Amino acid sequence: EDQVTQSPEALRLQEGESSSLNCSYTVSGLRGLFWYRQDPGKGPEFLFTLYSAGEEKEKERLKATLTKKESFLHITAPKPEDSATYLCAVRLYGQNFVFGPGTRLSVLP
Amino acid sequence: NAGVMQNPRHLVRRRGQEARLRCSPMKGHSHVYWYRQLPEEGLKFMVYLQKENIIDESGMPKERFSAEFPKEGPSILRIQQVVRGDSAAYFCASSPGKGSLEQYFGPGTRLTVL
Repeated sequence: EDQVTQSPEALRLQEGESSSLNCSYTVSGLRGLFWYRQDPGKGPEFLFTLYSAGEEKEKERLKATLTKKESFLHITAPKPEDSATYLCAVRLYGQNFVFGPGTRLSVLP
Repeated sequence: NAGVMQNPRHLVRRRGQEARLRCSPMKGHSHVYWYRQLPEEGLKFMVYLQKENIIDESGMPKERFSAEFPKEGPSILRIQQVVRGDSAAYFCASSPGKGSLEQYFGPGTRLTVL
């Protein structure tokens, strides 16, 4: 069964305290891995797409990396405005996407 | 460039009524996806449509749910004879297709069934 898991479920950081979020997947055919940010009461906001192992993407304080079995979202020197739920999703060789349950990040000032 | 638009943002229905959720994709996007998000749960894929075609409806319940994306106008997710378990946030996302797999989400419609 195609499955996407994320860890930790929740993470509290002090402002400036760097950390990483994990997304692990077991799928039969991967066409891409996606990271989104979701604020309460809003739709997910697209962050990154990764297609092959070894690929990396960066945007401001965020950096996403991909291996054959997992992806990491590294957050460097986070600020309170980075607080959100971070979702990863995989696109299968069919047409649909499978989303993980998300990591709720809180960055305290 | 306007983003994905969904309306209504909030919808309240009584059990047994019909709910119609609308999604207008981003300009130039011809692919639409619908997802359901229950409280404290992740997004669950429901259906993938291109203009006038349903491409993948493997996540859609077989009964009471239907979706369309006509040649003109928004995509519609229709839920007939709603039950309390249908209460959730429904998100649509659009994609340009043409090899791009990136999806851009709307703000969602929050359906409450009384």
